[in-house]
Amino acid sequence: DVKVTQSSRYLVKRTGEKVFLECVQDMDHENMFWYRQDPGLGLRLIYFSYDVKMKEKGDIPEGYSVSREKKERFSLILESASTNQTSMYLCASSESGERTEAFFGQGTRLTVV
Amino acid sequence: DAKTTQPPSMDCAEGRAANLPCNHSTISGNEYVYWYRQIHSQGPQYIIHGLKNNETNEMASLIITEDRKSSTLILPHATLRDTAVYYCIAHVMNTGFQKLVFGTGTRLLVSP
Repeated sequence: DVKVTQSSRYLVKRTGEKVFLECVQDMDHENMFWYRQDPGLGLRLIYFSYDVKMKEKGDIPEGYSVSREKKERFSLILESASTNQTSMYLCASSESGERTEAFFGQGTRLTVV
Repeated sequence: DAKTTQPPSMDCAEGRAANLPCNHSTISGNEYVYWYRQIHSQGPQYIIHGLKNNETNEMASLIITEDRKSSTLILPHATLRDTAVYYCIAHVMNTGFQKLVFGTGTRLLVSP
């Protein structure tokens, strides 16, 4: 089975801290994604990557950056955490091509205080 | 990306069929219809997808209208564990990468 693993289930950080959220997938997928999920707003795409060292902005990239140095790992970086970045963060991966499905991690609930 | 429209919530009695509608009137010819669900405090889970033929797997059935402007996800015998938010997504296919666009979904409540 495909496994997408996020490094932390719950995280509490202080305003202004640099925060790293890590995601690892074990199925050699080309595509990886970071979403955030907030009540009433559904899932919103932050960044995605279709290859090592490649990245594309999603719908809400402001305040975030990403890193993909290895195919299996996709990191989300909050350069200076703010309280409005308190959210559930979800990582996903998928193969490239046509008839594919995406696999999600369990999520990281980040609280910025 | 084709926009999808779903009702915000639905109720279903345990053991009955749950029929979740999705409207995607602007879907293009190479876009598949995907369904995912998200059980509370978990990441979304893939359910099923289709292009224009009806599809069935161990989790659900997907009925797509002939004009492809709408579809229905059917859970034939809903259980309490099917309580979740269900997302209908029109999947855009571009060479080299994919972009999944999630809306707010339908919150299905299955009651005893």
